[in-house]
Formats: sequence, C-alpha cells, structure tokens
Amino acid sequence: DVKVTQSSRYLVKRTGEKVFLECVQDMDHENMFWYRQDPGLGLRLIYFSYDVKMKEKGDIPEGYSVSREKKERFSLILESASTNQTSMYLCASSTFKEFKYFGPGTRLTVT
Amino acid sequence: AQSVTQPDIHITVSEGASLELRCNYSYGATPYLFWYVQSPGQGLQLLLKYFSGDTLVQGIKGFEAEFKRSQSSFNLRKPSVHWSDAAEYFCAVGLKTGANNLFFGTGTRLTVIP
Repeated sequence: DVKVTQSSRYLVKRTGEKVFLECVQDMDHENMFWYRQDPGLGLRLIYFSYDVKMKEKGDIPEGYSVSREKKERFSLILESASTNQTSMYLCASSTFKEFKYFGPGTRLTVT
Repeated sequence: AQSVTQPDIHITVSEGASLELRCNYSYGATPYLFWYVQSPGQGLQLLLKYFSGDTLVQGIKGFEAEFKRSQSSFNLRKPSVHWSDAAEYFCAVGLKTGANNLFFGTGTRLTVIP
C-alpha cells in the first residue's frame, strides 16, 4: 500500500512563528502536492513539485514556501504564520497521470 | 478557467436508500475525473476515476459513477447506502495537459439516517 505520512495530525502555533509541515511518501512518486482544505472552499493547491528541487506555485502560494531536497519528502513552510493560515493541510503524491494518494492531513491552528 | 461544481452542500438519506451525488465541470476538453471520500478527521481516499473508455465506472465500497459528456457531468451513485458511508465527498477534475494538478469541488457532506 502506498503510504503518505504527515509529521503531525494537530499543530498549534502562535502568530509570527515559522512553521514546518513535513510530508513523506514511500512509493518513489515524482509528483508531490500541498493543498489546504477549508469549509465551503474544498481543496486548493498551494504548491506542487514534479522532481527533486523543482517546485511550482499553485493557486494560493502567498505566505507559503516549499522545499524538496529528497524525492520522498516535501515540506511546506509558513515563514511567519498568521491566523488566516489556520486550516487543514493535505499532502498528496502521484505518478504522472495517476490519481493522487493523500496523507491524513495536519490541522493547523494559529493563535 | 476550469471549474468543478458540486451543487449539493449537504445531503441526508436513510440507510438502505439510493444515493446520487452531483458533479459538473467546466473545461474545454474531456478531463480526467475523480471522486474522493473523506471520513471525519481523515485524508482523502479515492473511490473511482475515469480516464477514457466505458463511461460507467465502478469503484470501491459499491460506488459507481457515470460520465456524461453532453452534460459535462460525473455523478456518483450507490444503490443502497450504509451508515458507514456518512462522510464528505469530493469530485475532482484532472487536466490532460500540464502539471498533473487536480481541481476540486467544494464537497458534499452525506448524512445517513438509521
């Protein structure tokens, strides 16, 4: 079974803190993605990566950055967390044209 | 711009009743189509997908979906709902060109009454 794991299920951070969300997949997938999920808005793509050290902006990249130093790991970084970044964050991985495997999600609260 | 519409925010059905969740998309060509389910506190699980060929696709947990090109729809169905089907359901569209992204609908929350 494909496994996509995320470092934390729940996270509480203060405004202005630097936040790291980690995602690891074990199937050697080329593509990895970070989405945020908000009620009534569905899932929105923040960033994706199609190869090591490669990244592309999604629909809502403002306030976020990413890092992909190894194929299996894709990190989402909030340089200075704000309350409007309180959300559920979902990581996904896939091969080309295949459907995505999603991690369990990290519920981030910024106070 | 491509978009995915799930017109029903919340649906309530009785256990054993049939179910149909609606999904319409707007895109210039036939995209890849997906249905995902999300149980409370969980990530998304793929139910089924359509890439090409037979327009009626079977998925896991007894779900099926039918692609209708003329209506730009990909509705999800189940003949008899179980209490464990209570969850949130997302339709998604994948483009056949570009970066393998998915565009998601806003979701339909399903409540099952015993």
